[in-house]
Amino acid sequence: GESVGLHLPTLSVQEGDNSIINCAYSNSASDYFIWYKQESGKGPQFIIDIRSNMDKRQGQRVTVLLNKTVKHLSLQIAATQPGDSAVYFCAEKNYGGATNKLIFGTGTLLAVQP
Amino acid sequence: EAGVTQFPSHSVIEKGQTVTLRCDPISGHDNLYWYRRVMGKEIKFLLHFVKESKQDESGMPNNRFLAERTGGTYSTLKVQPAELEDSGVYFCASSLERGYQETQYFGPGTRLLVL
Repeated sequence: GESVGLHLPTLSVQEGDNSIINCAYSNSASDYFIWYKQESGKGPQFIIDIRSNMDKRQGQRVTVLLNKTVKHLSLQIAATQPGDSAVYFCAEKNYGGATNKLIFGTGTLLAVQP
Repeated sequence: EAGVTQFPSHSVIEKGQTVTLRCDPISGHDNLYWYRRVMGKEIKFLLHFVKESKQDESGMPNNRFLAERTGGTYSTLKVQPAELEDSGVYFCASSLERGYQETQYFGPGTRLLVL
């Protein structure tokens, strides 16, 4: 069946270092991927997205890489800050049907150490 | 512009009781989604409204869950009767258009605890 999962449930980094959060997906027909950030007590917040016809997309301090060959997605955060501490979810867009429901992974907790 | 709002933020009820969750989407957003995250698991899709119509309710776990969106504005999700396994965080999201790169904006969630 379709699923989106994460390799590491918890990632601890030092402030100022770069962070890499990984995600594997199983549905090769998926064509759109999104990273969300969820802080304590809040809902998921959109960070960055990427279409399947792209390999890389950059935002402010964040970069998403997509490797369709191995069905792998990663989120890179440059110069990680304490405010980046949160749970990060990758999500797959189930486009092509009658709905655009998101399929989420279990999440990775990013803990930034000062 | 106000974001997606949800009410209540927390709810603690006993097994067998009824709970109604409310979601107010971003003004003008025709698409409204309900998701939930049960303890330790991933966020899972429940259903999708386009205006007042249910577009996809394939994620609704059983007939104890009833979602409505009368008038195509706010939505309610009723659980009746609630069971222990219904505990979790219920998120609502809305979007403007169902295009290829539609962005779903999430509310803060309602944390439901069934005792």
